[in-house]
Amino acid sequence: AQKITQTQPGMFVQEKEAVTLDCTYDTSDPSYGLFWYKQPSSGEMIFLIYQGSYDQQNATEGRYSLNFQKARKSANLVISASQLGDSAMYFCAMREGQGGSEKLVFGKGMKLTVNP
Amino acid sequence: EAQVTQNPRYLITVTGKKLTVTCSQNMNHEYMSWYRQDPGLGLRQIYYSMNVEVTDKGDVPEGYKVSRKEKRNFPLILESPSPNQTSLYFCASSDDPIFYGAEAFFGQGTRLTVV
Repeated sequence: AQKITQTQPGMFVQEKEAVTLDCTYDTSDPSYGLFWYKQPSSGEMIFLIYQGSYDQQNATEGRYSLNFQKARKSANLVISASQLGDSAMYFCAMREGQGGSEKLVFGKGMKLTVNP
Repeated sequence: EAQVTQNPRYLITVTGKKLTVTCSQNMNHEYMSWYRQDPGLGLRQIYYSMNVEVTDKGDVPEGYKVSRKEKRNFPLILESPSPNQTSLYFCASSDDPIFYGAEAFFGQGTRLTVV
């Protein structure tokens, strides 16, 4: 079974609008972490935001926020005021395991296109 | 500048010819890992290392070897590359991997083609 599911293969948004990128996860480990990474066309992986499973509040980093709904096992990324430079692939990832067996599991990604 | 450096960035090789992709980080991170990225599959972990001389298999270790003799270096070795190992490879490192949400710093990627 997939541990990280990103169902939207691609999305289009107008510049300056907000957009939500969906991510659901599956784990039985009570301690885990959720990440979002951005991969522009140049190929590098850029860390955006992190949410720990025990964090009480939703994470925010500038224009990025994470809508963390633990009971629903979802960790959607919200980008406010989209910019042309936000056009990229976005990956949701989960860190699970402990005691030497940590691993980072990625979703398949989704492509965001910001239109002027 | 904190960085993870992979070499080479691009490589075309022939089936069966041993190759090594190097990875070096300058952040004194204990945790390092290798991923491969294939279209429609996202990134999948190949191997990871918790510290010097400590390595373990990820999700897709077949056909790969790693070593961690020094903290800063984590080379990926393909003893006998095959065309199904054509992929984009990423090395990553992070500080504490468990509790503090330590972000993984990624290298620039190595695009490998095996013909």
